[in-house]
Amino acid sequence: GAGVSQSPSNKVTEKGKDVELRCDPISGHTALYWYRQSLGQGLEFLIYFQGNSAPDKSGLPSDRFSAERTGGSVSTLTIQRTQQEDSAVYLCASSYQPRREQFFGPGTRLTVL
Amino acid sequence: AQTVTQSQPEMSVQEAETVTLSCTYDTSENNYYLFWYKQPPSRQMILVIRQEAYKQQNATENRFSVNFQKAAKSFSLKISDSQLGDTAMYFCAFTSSGEGNAGKSTFGDGTTLTVKP
Repeated sequence: GAGVSQSPSNKVTEKGKDVELRCDPISGHTALYWYRQSLGQGLEFLIYFQGNSAPDKSGLPSDRFSAERTGGSVSTLTIQRTQQEDSAVYLCASSYQPRREQFFGPGTRLTVL
Repeated sequence: AQTVTQSQPEMSVQEAETVTLSCTYDTSENNYYLFWYKQPPSRQMILVIRQEAYKQQNATENRFSVNFQKAAKSFSLKISDSQLGDTAMYFCAFTSSGEGNAGKSTFGDGTTLTVKP
């Protein structure tokens, strides 16, 4: 079946612009995660959605970052007034249950000039 | 808060040999889940192996096995008969099952493994 998809695969933007990154999880997966990965580094947790519960936003680095998940499926991560330090690969993952393994998308590489 | 430590930023192994990647974690929870993920140079992350903390038996998946020491909070990954395709960055991950934060995951910084021909 289809895996987790993310779009766009690459995004180049200018400092100060807003960007939206999209994640389509695997159908039926109730949990959805966003991570940030800088070049050659580990994963930084950003936000976690589980079913209809309030999302865990504890990893969002600033109020310029926000995310929503519509209808328990597609999620959008929005970064407002982008800064150069926001440049990274943004990974989305979904999971059938919170305690199960996560399936990752290919990521969106964001470059802020 | 949970922490996951991978103390080996880079490792290399000769093809067909065995290598062990280390991972330690810190938590006050009793029940949780541990994972090893692999991220090849093409970037997409995939699951290697999964361990449930309440199971004493170490998980195995073909050439991959873990040494889970709950008291020591250690979760190492052993790769036997290493293959060139095993070259990747390996991440150890902890997933909570506690009330209120079930599913929240913490990843280590990763170990870059190179398998040499």
